[in-house]
Amino acid sequence: QKEVEQDPGPLSVPEGAIVSLNCTYSNSAFQYFMWYRQYSRKGPELLMYTYSSGNKEDGRFTAQVDKSSKYISLFIRDSQPSDSATYLCAMRANAGGTSYGKLTFGQGTILTVHP
Amino acid sequence: GAVVSQHPSRVICKSGTSVKIECRSLDFQATTMFWYRQFPKQSLMLMATSNEGSKATYEQGVEKDKFLINHASLTLSTLTVTSAHPEDSSFYICSASQTFNQPQHFGDGTRLSIL
Repeated sequence: QKEVEQDPGPLSVPEGAIVSLNCTYSNSAFQYFMWYRQYSRKGPELLMYTYSSGNKEDGRFTAQVDKSSKYISLFIRDSQPSDSATYLCAMRANAGGTSYGKLTFGQGTILTVHP
Repeated sequence: GAVVSQHPSRVICKSGTSVKIECRSLDFQATTMFWYRQFPKQSLMLMATSNEGSKATYEQGVEKDKFLINHASLTLSTLTVTSAHPEDSSFYICSASQTFNQPQHFGDGTRLSIL
């Protein structure tokens, strides 16, 4: 079993739809949770960075973390064709010792928003 | 803010050549830098973690004599693929964080093709 599970999709939605992306994990030591967006042939871009459980909102993006269920989500409101990309969840434990803040990534979900 | 520049973006060279890839943090000092490899339609695979002024920590299965990492300053890390062969062809991505408790910011990757 992978430490982080993410449905690879692909996910196709019409413009304006609400998109829900999810990851589950098994390591209870994970404390920091991130969502990255990666366009084709580019490096990942940090979208959201959250610590422990709770919600965080930034513009059209909302990140939710439920540590009791080991489940994180990213919601995209009013989705646009420019949101078409691969979305990667990532998480890590408290840095210390030899972990140096190492991230564990999900497989990535391919999202297409069509006009 | 938090811009990471990676150079070159594309390299095509003959088998047996050594290739150097640079990763620079442009607007912050990066105590820790990470090097990843990404295969098509797959997530990022961590190769090594480097801390300024000390030896890199390599992940299991990554040959340290094959992939030489130098992190000589707080804004620059280099990855040298020595005596590259076709199986080394891949997308290499670096990331940097101000401290190991800060989020990682990624460069745009280097597409390496060995003929």
